[in-house]
Amino acid sequence: DIQMTQSPSSLSASVGDRITMTCQASQGVTKYLNWYQQKPGKAPKLLIYDATNLETGVPSRFSGSGSGTDFTFTINSLQPEDFATYYCQQYDILPYTFGQGTRLQIK
Amino acid sequence: QVQLQESGPGLVKPSETLSLTCSVSGGSMDSYYWSWIRQSAGKGLEWVGRIYYSGSPNYNPSLNGRVAISVDTSKNQFSMKVTSVTDADTAVYYCARDRGDYAGGLDSWGQGTRVIVSS
Repeated sequence: DIQMTQSPSSLSASVGDRITMTCQASQGVTKYLNWYQQKPGKAPKLLIYDATNLETGVPSRFSGSGSGTDFTFTINSLQPEDFATYYCQQYDILPYTFGQGTRLQIK
Repeated sequence: QVQLQESGPGLVKPSETLSLTCSVSGGSMDSYYWSWIRQSAGKGLEWVGRIYYSGSPNYNPSLNGRVAISVDTSKNQFSMKVTSVTDADTAVYYCARDRGDYAGGLDSWGQGTRVIVSS
């Protein structure tokens, strides 16, 4: 299986900040990398697909970059509703695998 | 806007079979894959398997052949069975619409159902 490693595991920031988190795959997944947001007690929500594409309806302050093994997820100008846990997921090779998550907390 | 809803027992005894159904409303099942994902404190998010609307399931080998996924498009439902459950199968189980191999992503999810394996 492809292992997905996210860093940091947790991150503290303030409203208005720009934050970045990373996801590294144990082998290349080309562009087949998605990002999800999960709030407590809720299902994950797809934000970014194919590494860089914003899902319909997702605010433009969210963005993704990267290819191969190294990917970055950025939120510009954090809003109060953005404090959540974020997961990356590869779908290049079955089984799909997820990173362990980055918890974004309010500073 | 497609909506998904999981249903099934919340408590299953060890060694028995866990059975869940996902009902899909607000859209057709055609041309999509349909996935099951589970989430536990110990293992995070784990993809269980998927099925195309016309059949052809794929499974996560980590379940060691204990999982079976089926689809019934006439009822707008797909289902999952996990046999010989242990406490390691205790998790919140989600069903999701899966865009598959191109422009992919799990783009609509059920609210999740908690399943506890305990005698």
